[in-house]
Amino acid sequence: AQTVTQSQPEMSVQEAETVTLSCTYDTSESDYYLFWYKQPPSRQMILVIRQEAYKQQNATENRFSVNFQKAAKSFSLKISDSQLGDAAMYFCAYRRARTGANSKLTFGKGITLSVRP
Amino acid sequence: NAGVTQTPKFHILKTGQSMTLQCAQDMNHGYMSWYRQDPGMGLRLIYYSAAAGTTDKEVPNGYNVSRLNTEDFPLRLVSAAPSQTSVYLCASSKTRLPWTYNSPLHFGNGTRLTVT
Repeated sequence: AQTVTQSQPEMSVQEAETVTLSCTYDTSESDYYLFWYKQPPSRQMILVIRQEAYKQQNATENRFSVNFQKAAKSFSLKISDSQLGDAAMYFCAYRRARTGANSKLTFGKGITLSVRP
Repeated sequence: NAGVTQTPKFHILKTGQSMTLQCAQDMNHGYMSWYRQDPGMGLRLIYYSAAAGTTDKEVPNGYNVSRLNTEDFPLRLVSAAPSQTSVYLCASSKTRLPWTYNSPLHFGNGTRLTVT
């Protein structure tokens, strides 16, 4: 079974600075996808960034980038130039690449990020 | 365009009672799912449906769903237990691949359920 671990329950960052959120996962699959979702207080889950396991290049979306270490099964999210609107709960998620009825997302416990003005 | 709407927002049940949590989406999404969110446990998938008329479960006991049409995906607690106290989130996506930037997973605002 696949598991996703986010060991840090919360983190804090000063506005305009950089913060890194950690995530590790466990799987026996070789092809899969990894995601970071943002959940603001409204509970809407917003896809921040995704990474395909077969791609060696780390994904980047504006101020968000990942450090994907496949051998170490590590998938951290870096937020640069942090903004007050980045304050939210962040979930790391996994999905195996094979499509089909059981192509579900497995989420970590989440980490609460606060941004200090 | 309301997105994903869940009702009620809060509810208190007694052990053994039954209840249906409502979820509706107006985006014509095929894929819908139910999660429960507990402190320190993250999100756990309960049920999902890839299209109207089909459902698949992840957690076998205590829950039931139906998908009679594209818009609605109600979750029924058959005989509530205190272990089912949680926040329930309904989600939808345009396709069976709810993880692309152009087909994100849309969540409702959740139902906070307490079973006493």
